[in-house]
Amino acid sequence: NAGVMQNPRHLVRRRGQEARLRCSPMKGHSHVYWYRQLPEEGLKFMVYLQKENIIDESGMPKERFSAEFPKEGPSILRIQQVVRGDSAAYFCASSRPGTTQETQYFGPGTRLLVL
Amino acid sequence: AQSVTQLGSHVSVSEGALVLLRCNYSSSVPPYLFWYVQYPNQGLQLLLKYTSAATLVKGINGFEAEFKKSETSFHLTKPSAHMSDAAEYFCAVSLNNNDMRFGAGTRLTVKP
Repeated sequence: NAGVMQNPRHLVRRRGQEARLRCSPMKGHSHVYWYRQLPEEGLKFMVYLQKENIIDESGMPKERFSAEFPKEGPSILRIQQVVRGDSAAYFCASSRPGTTQETQYFGPGTRLLVL
Repeated sequence: AQSVTQLGSHVSVSEGALVLLRCNYSSSVPPYLFWYVQYPNQGLQLLLKYTSAATLVKGINGFEAEFKKSETSFHLTKPSAHMSDAAEYFCAVSLNNNDMRFGAGTRLTVKP
């Protein structure tokens, strides 16, 4: 059973370009979470999605950032008009649906560098 | 809102010595608590989690953590450190399925 897949693993963008980060959850998982990790800091929650629905986006910056989890295909975190401050590691996690606390399994992350 | 505080951003131990990484939580209701480990340039791997079934939780790689409600703590321990334990360790708290809050992390160094 493959784990959470993220691609690309490394992404370099110039200021003003767009960054698209992809996340394929584990088989059987329908919940996806995105986190951002700045250098020397812990993970900060960004958004929680289920198939075709954004459940909680309270951690998402108000502008330039968006996320989706379509019925088919991976979840996408999109950053428009990137700035240097967007440079960070972005982690995706997935979990099974459930009524109790389900463990979140993390992908290897995408390291974004904005030049 | 819930939160965690990890005491000590860097901890250094000798190989074979006790490992103790501290985590204190703040929560208005009984929380779920987690410890994750992150090796360089990798994602987070779950070490163990507390879900109220037992206060002493055993995880992978010989780690364990004890939930102490009176001290609002969930410290991570391992009796004997191994060189391969060198990594970043994150404590996390959650009240429900989607709102997980992480500590700032503790970097563990193991000296030969």
